[in-house]
Amino acid sequence: GDSVTQMEGPVTLSEEAFLTINCTYTATGYPSLFWYVQYPGEGLQLLLKATKADDKGSNKGFEATYRKETTSFHLEKGSVQVSDSAVYFCALSRIYNQGGKLIFGQGTELSVKP
Amino acid sequence: EPEVTQTPSHQVTQMGQEVILRCVPISNHLYFYWYRQILGQKVEFLVSFYNNEISEKSEIFDDQFSVERPDGSNFTLKIRSTKLEDSAMYFCASRQQERLAKNIQYFGAGTRLSVL
Repeated sequence: GDSVTQMEGPVTLSEEAFLTINCTYTATGYPSLFWYVQYPGEGLQLLLKATKADDKGSNKGFEATYRKETTSFHLEKGSVQVSDSAVYFCALSRIYNQGGKLIFGQGTELSVKP
Repeated sequence: EPEVTQTPSHQVTQMGQEVILRCVPISNHLYFYWYRQILGQKVEFLVSFYNNEISEKSEIFDDQFSVERPDGSNFTLKIRSTKLEDSAMYFCASRQQERLAKNIQYFGAGTRLSVL
């Protein structure tokens, strides 16, 4: 069945460091791909998305490119801030699935130190 | 900005008791979801709900679980007889009726259920 795998956390970085969080997926066809972020004490918020191969999603300095050939959707940011400390979730949904359920990876905790 | 609201934030219950977790989705949204996250594990889909009926449910969503939209604003998840393994964070989500490829779901902050 469909699945999403993320790199293990926690990830600890210094402010202004480069961030990569790896995400790979298993699914037939062309799922839509998402990154969600969860700040402490809050719900999951959509960070960015891509709906077809080679699409690049971007928001708040974060980017991810939908790579069909490597079945990946890695999250990157050129210079992280302390305020980026949160848990990041990669997810997919199948276009033909009218219910639209999201299938999540296990989440990666990011801690950014000043 | 509109948001999904979940109550309570933390629910403690005894094994075998019934619990109802409540959610108020965003008012013009038509699709509703429940997910859960057992501590240290993935966020897992439980059920989706549209047009007053379940559109899809996972293997986790057995006869002990039920969902209801009792009025125009609330969306509830009931667990009839809780088990220790039901202890988890439960998230409610909702989305508009939009092109499915966009599928932007808005999540609540979650209810932490602790079964003792």
